[in-house]
Amino acid sequence: SQQGEEDPQALSIQEGENATMNCSYKTSINNLQWYRQNSGRGLVHLILIRSNEREKHSGRLRVTLDTSKKSSSLLITASRAADTASYFCATETPETSGSRLTFGEGTQLTVNP
Amino acid sequence: DGGITQSPKYLFRKEGQNVTLSCEQNLNHDAMYWYRQDPGQGLRLIYYSQIVNDFQKGDIAEGYSVSREKKESFPLTVTSAQKNPTAFYLCASSIKGGSLGNYGYTFGSGTRLTVV
Repeated sequence: SQQGEEDPQALSIQEGENATMNCSYKTSINNLQWYRQNSGRGLVHLILIRSNEREKHSGRLRVTLDTSKKSSSLLITASRAADTASYFCATETPETSGSRLTFGEGTQLTVNP
Repeated sequence: DGGITQSPKYLFRKEGQNVTLSCEQNLNHDAMYWYRQDPGQGLRLIYYSQIVNDFQKGDIAEGYSVSREKKESFPLTVTSAQKNPTAFYLCASSIKGGSLGNYGYTFGSGTRLTVV
C-alpha cells in the first residue's frame, strides 16, 4: 500500500508564482524525501529531511516536516516553466532487513510561461 | 560519469514470453531496487537488494524474479506469470541500505515494457 499521499494531484500556476505541494504519511519514518520526474524519465532526488528535522532549504526549494501530523510540504519559490514535472514524496521506514522507500502518487505541476 | 544505466529503453514482449531488464550502476552503491510505475501513478516496489547474493520481495513481487550476483548489476526478469506487465520500470540504487548523508536514491532512466 502507498505510504505517502500527495495533495493536490495536479497544480497549474503562472511563472514567477510559488508552488506548494503537501504529503501525508501513515507510519513512523527515518526520513522523507522529495523527487522530481520529467515525463517519461527517471526520478531525480531533490531533498531529504530527517525525522528530527523540521525545515530544510535547497536553492528555491523549502521542505517542512511535521512528524506529529505525519505531513510534509514542498515549496518551490519563483517557479519557472522548466519546473513543470511530477513531484513525489517518499518515506523511508525502518525494516528488519534494511530500509526501503515508499512513494506517493505524485503531484503534477504545470508552470505556464 | 557515475550513474545507473537501464537497458533497453523500450521493450516489447509477446504473450507467454520471459524478458529480462538490465540495470547496471558504477556508483559503488550497496543497495539496489526495482520499481514499477503505471500511467499517472506512483512507484511500487518489486524487489530490493541490500548486498550481493541477497534480495527481498517488495510489495508486488509476484511474476518477477531478480538476481544479485555482482554489486554493480541487478537484472529483473518479467516472467510469463506476470499477467499485466505493461508498465514503466525504474531501477535505483543507494548507499548501504538507506540514505546516509543527504543523497537519497539514484534512479536510472527507465525501461518501458509493452506486451504485444
